[in-house]
Amino acid sequence: AQSVTQLDSHVSVSEGTPVLLRCNYSSSYSPSLFWYVQHPNKGLQLLLKYTSAATLVKGINGFEAEFKKSETSFHLTKPSAHMSDAAEYFCVVIPPSGYALNFGKGTSLLVTP
Amino acid sequence: DSGVTQTPKHLITATGQRVTLRCSPRSGDLSVYWYQQSLDQGLQFLIQYYNGEERAKGNILERFSAQQFPDLHSELNLSSLELGDSALYFCASSASGREDTQYFGPGTRLTVL
Repeated sequence: AQSVTQLDSHVSVSEGTPVLLRCNYSSSYSPSLFWYVQHPNKGLQLLLKYTSAATLVKGINGFEAEFKKSETSFHLTKPSAHMSDAAEYFCVVIPPSGYALNFGKGTSLLVTP
Repeated sequence: DSGVTQTPKHLITATGQRVTLRCSPRSGDLSVYWYQQSLDQGLQFLIQYYNGEERAKGNILERFSAQQFPDLHSELNLSSLELGDSALYFCASSASGREDTQYFGPGTRLTVL
């Protein structure tokens, strides 16, 4: 079965420092992978998606993720955190036979001044 | 603003009751998805409709049902409500295909007392 594991439930960074949110996937095939963000009391917004066109994927708000098949990872990074980045981040996979998103458990990002 | 609308924003009801959640997809999108977000289960896929037809089912209880109408809006019906059904219910829409981005509505927060 296609699934993702978010390795950290909480990450805390200082404003201006790099962000790393880790995600590993399990898949027998080349998966479609996504990162979504959920700000407090808001819906989910797509940050970026990987669909095998390029291993380094750039998203909105300065985020990017690198697909590493050898490590089965799809970590999300940002060079410099901003206070507005504080939110819940979800790594997501779509199974090759389906359409529904399988969500990871989420990583709560806290940004301190 | 994703272009997906959901009503109502909040719903408070009692155990045993029945409620209907409504979703209007983005203009032109043919697929509608329903997801449930709860503290203990995280984000789970419930059901998908494509152009009026059910396409995929996830962890949807028998007490829950959905439909998509000719104008492509969708309704999720929850009946014989239990305390454990309290959750945030999201609707998402996509153009059609598997790798199309799913755009999420703001959600309906259901509280069962």
